[in-house]
Parts: sequence; C-alpha cells; structure tokens
Amino acid sequence: AQKITQTQPGMFVQEKEAVTLDCTYDTSDQSYGLFWYKQPSSGEMIFLIYQGSYDEQNATEGRYSLNFQKARKSANLVISASQLGDSAMYFCAMREVPAGGTSYGKLTFGQGTILTVHP
Amino acid sequence: KAGVTQTPRYLIKTRGQQVTLSCSPISGHRSVSWYQQTPGQGLQFLFEYFSETQRNKGNFPGRFSGRQFSNSRSEMNVSTLELGDSALYLCASSLGTRETQYFGPGTRLLVL
Repeated sequence: AQKITQTQPGMFVQEKEAVTLDCTYDTSDQSYGLFWYKQPSSGEMIFLIYQGSYDEQNATEGRYSLNFQKARKSANLVISASQLGDSAMYFCAMREVPAGGTSYGKLTFGQGTILTVHP
Repeated sequence: KAGVTQTPRYLIKTRGQQVTLSCSPISGHRSVSWYQQTPGQGLQFLFEYFSETQRNKGNFPGRFSGRQFSNSRSEMNVSTLELGDSALYLCASSLGTRETQYFGPGTRLLVL
C-alpha cells in the first residue's frame, strides 16, 4: 500500500499567487514526522518544512506553511506569494517511528508534484 | 557551514562493473542515509548509518552495500552493475537518526 500519496502530478500557478500541494499519508504509528522537500532540475533535495505528529500548531517557514489535518491524514504544503524560482518538483515524505523501533532515519517519499510558476 | 557533498557528481559505467560513491555529511552530523531516485520507482531508501553502524536497510539486493567511517563520511558500493542501476543516488545527513535530513547534490550514475 502506498504510504505517501501526492495526487497532483503537475500544478501551475501565477507568480505572486498562493498554491497548495496535496499530500495524504497512511501509517498506523502514533509518532511520525512529515516533511516537504523541493527538488530543482539540478537534482538536490532542499528541505522546506517539518511537522511532527504531536505538533498542535501547523508548521510555518517563511512563505511555506504546512496544513496538517491529522484526522484526515493530510499534510498539504501551502506556498504563498509564488516566485519564479519556486518552479521545481516537490516531494512529501514521512518518517515513521514504530513502537519499540530503534531506527528513525528512513524517509518514505511520495511520487512528487511538478510546480510551474508562470510570470 | 558546508553542506553535504557527494563525489563524483556524474559517473558512466558499463554492465558488470562496480562503483563506489562517496558522501561527506555536514560537520557534526552523525547519521547518513542513502536513497536511489529513478523515474520509474521514484525515491527509494537504500540504507542508514549512524556511528559506523548500519541501522536500517531498504529492499535492495546484496549488490548494494555501504559503510560509514569514524568521521561520519559514508560510501556506498554497487557491484556487478545492471542497466537498471542507472539513477540519481542521493545522500542525506542529519545530527541524529531522529533529526531532519539534509541532502547532497547527488551522484548521477549511468550504466551502459
């Protein structure tokens, strides 16, 4: 079963507008972390934002915010005031912490959403 | 502070050869993870190292191996290369296994 689902293969947004990239996840663990990364055409994965499963407030980092709805198992990324440099592939990822587990480093990624910002 | 560095950045090999990729983590980071990215399979976890010990391994054949040195630098090795091993190999480092992972620029491997 797919653990991270990004249903939007591609998204288009006008410069200076806001855009929401969808992410739903599936886990039976109580403790987990959700991440968003940006991958420009150069290939490097750039960390954007993190949300812990026990965090009550939605995470924000500058123009990025994470709309975390735990009951719906969704962790959507909101980019405000889009810029041309935001054009890239965006990945949602999850780190699970199984009960009694000792390893926390493995990230499971979604298939990504290609965002194109038009001038 | 310097980011994660990976060498080489690009590599062309032929089937049956072996390859070693190197990753230097951010200074002070002790955990290193490796991922393979292909158009068909997306991003897949290979392994995770912490304090020179492999803590977790993904679902890859034994041809894929790795190690971590006392200075936290890590190498991964792929023996008997197959065409399907062509991919972008990404290394990520973090302070510990519970911390945010920061990725390097990747090594693009092409197997002919």
